[in-house]
Order: sequence, then structure tokens, then C-alpha cells
Amino acid sequence: NAGVTQTPKFQVLKTGQSMTLQCAQDMNHNSMYWYRQDPGMGLRLIYYSASEGTTDKGEVPNGYNVSRLNKREFSLRLESAAPSQTSVYFCASTGQGAPEAFFGQGTRLTVV
Amino acid sequence: LAKTTQPISMDSYEGQEVNITCSHNNIATNDYITWYQQFPSQGPRFIIQGYKTKVTNEVASLFIPADRKSSTLSLPRVSLSDTAVYYCLVGLMIKAAGNKLTFGGGTRVLVKP
Repeated sequence: NAGVTQTPKFQVLKTGQSMTLQCAQDMNHNSMYWYRQDPGMGLRLIYYSASEGTTDKGEVPNGYNVSRLNKREFSLRLESAAPSQTSVYFCASTGQGAPEAFFGQGTRLTVV
Repeated sequence: LAKTTQPISMDSYEGQEVNITCSHNNIATNDYITWYQQFPSQGPRFIIQGYKTKVTNEVASLFIPADRKSSTLSLPRVSLSDTAVYYCLVGLMIKAAGNKLTFGGGTRVLVKP
């Protein structure tokens, strides 16, 4: 199993550009999450989706939108990128059958 | 979600035992305590989860006193590869739908030769 897959792994954007970060899981998990991690800092929750069709704001939702396309996929969109959004973005998922969250390998985003 | 407090950093040496204590004074009755490990440039990885007393697996032990207001992650005989950031989370067990996973700043553990 691939687990949680994020694309792309690296991205450079110019200020004002838009892009969508993709996340897919193949573990039939109900809940999915998006985090950002700035250098030397902990993870901060941007948005999460408890189940297909639902999304909720986390700690730092401003400047982002999400879509839970189906049970497998949860995308994060930056409509107008800003340098303050330079960070590493992690997607995670959790399910009924295990006590832990599974994380993707991250997307390193730089906004110049 | 119960707020957690843990040390910012800890240094240790190879072969020693490392104990990281996390405070969670307002833990709720239904809350579990979960620890994650994160290596540089990787996503966090689950280490251990517990509710009360002691839990042990092949990686670590988790000690939870009777009042559950704190917990201690114990890493036995650490090696250089245990250098990482360790996060303590408190909340509903993952199996509960809609668990809002919130990470704090974590504890940076540096294992020296």
C-alpha cells in the first residue's frame, strides 16, 4: 500500500499565483487533515475533514481552501499565494481500524 | 482539546534512557494520550498511545499516573537515529470520527555520540 501520497513534492510560486496541493490515501480512512510546518516549528492544523463531504477549519485556515473530493482525496488550494505561506505542508489521514494518524511525505512550498 | 506542555529540547547520549514528560492538566475523561516522532523532512510517525498506567511496545514505554494530568514517554537505550522531535497529543482516541488532531511545538531530542 502507498499510504498517504502528496503531490507535488516541491513547488515554487510567485506571489499572487494560485495552486492546489493534492493528497490521496488508499487506506479507506474517513478523516483527513492538512498541516503546515514552518522551519523549527511544530505542525499547525489548517483544515480537516472528519468524513467525506465535510470540512472544518483548523488553527490557521486563512488564505486556504479545501475540497474533500471523495473518500480518498483531500486537496488544499492557495488562491493567491503569499510569502508567508512558504512552508512544508503535510497531509494526514486517520481511520477506524488503527490508533494512529498516517502522514504523507510533505510538499515543500516556496512563495517568492 | 486538552492543551499540552512539554520541554522544548533535551540532549542525551547514546545508550542512555530518555524520558520526556508532557503536562496536560485539563485532560478529559475520554481523552487518550498519544506520542508521535518526527525526523527532519518527514511527516510524524506514531509511537505509542495510552489511557492510564503503563503501556509498552517495541519502541517505547508510556507512563501515566493515576490523575492522568501528565505522562512520560520513555525511550530506552537511545541511539543517534533517535534524534527527532517528539510530540505529545491529548484527545479522543483516533478511532473516534472527527478527532481534531492538534500538535504542539514538540520536544527536540538530540542524541550525542
